[in-house]
Amino acid sequence: EAQVTQNPRYLITVTGKKLTVTCSQNMNHEYMSWYRQDPGLGLRQIYYSMNVEVTDKGDVPEGYKVSRKEKRNFPLILESPSPNQTSLYFCASSDLAGGFGEQFFGPGTRLTVL
Amino acid sequence: AQKVTQAQTEISVVEKEDVTLDCVYETRDTTYYLFWYKQPPSGELVFLIRRNSFDEQNEISGRYSWNFQKSTSSFNFTITASQVVDSAVYFCALRGGYSTLTFGKGTMLLVSP
Repeated sequence: EAQVTQNPRYLITVTGKKLTVTCSQNMNHEYMSWYRQDPGLGLRQIYYSMNVEVTDKGDVPEGYKVSRKEKRNFPLILESPSPNQTSLYFCASSDLAGGFGEQFFGPGTRLTVL
Repeated sequence: AQKVTQAQTEISVVEKEDVTLDCVYETRDTTYYLFWYKQPPSGELVFLIRRNSFDEQNEISGRYSWNFQKSTSSFNFTITASQVVDSAVYFCALRGGYSTLTFGKGTMLLVSP
């Protein structure tokens, strides 16, 4: 089944404790991206990747890192999480180069930073 | 910078009513793509439609239809004969050039029986 998977689905952590949210897709898509969803703000793009080893900042990249060493994986790293990073996070991949196609979203990761 | 405005924060209708969700966008790009996504109460994001800037034809898919008007920078979404299962948050999004994908803040649609 074609899908985007994220782990963990739920995470409660404390300020400053490094964490990684994994994202994997099995559709051989070149474009992948991360979004955060906050009440009243919609979805905002954090980082995106056009292809392996090519990443770029989205609209809200502060406090996040990403890497794209393999086509299928695009982990999101919070090196020193803070409470304002409490949010619902979605990973997505796109079926067209450059991200112009439909975004296939993962199920979401709900992160709480205390 | 590009921008997507969904002025309707929340809409409530009764089943079988028609409802239109508004989306107004801003971009300096001549080539761009517009999208609509649905987020039901279960939380997943579901793709509904993609439209490029050169294709102003309206689209109909069952009870769903979309009206794209470049002259007013709008890409409105109409649900005909709404059903309870249409209750969800609907997002309009814009992808212009090699920029980020920008979402509107969403419109929550509540369809009551």
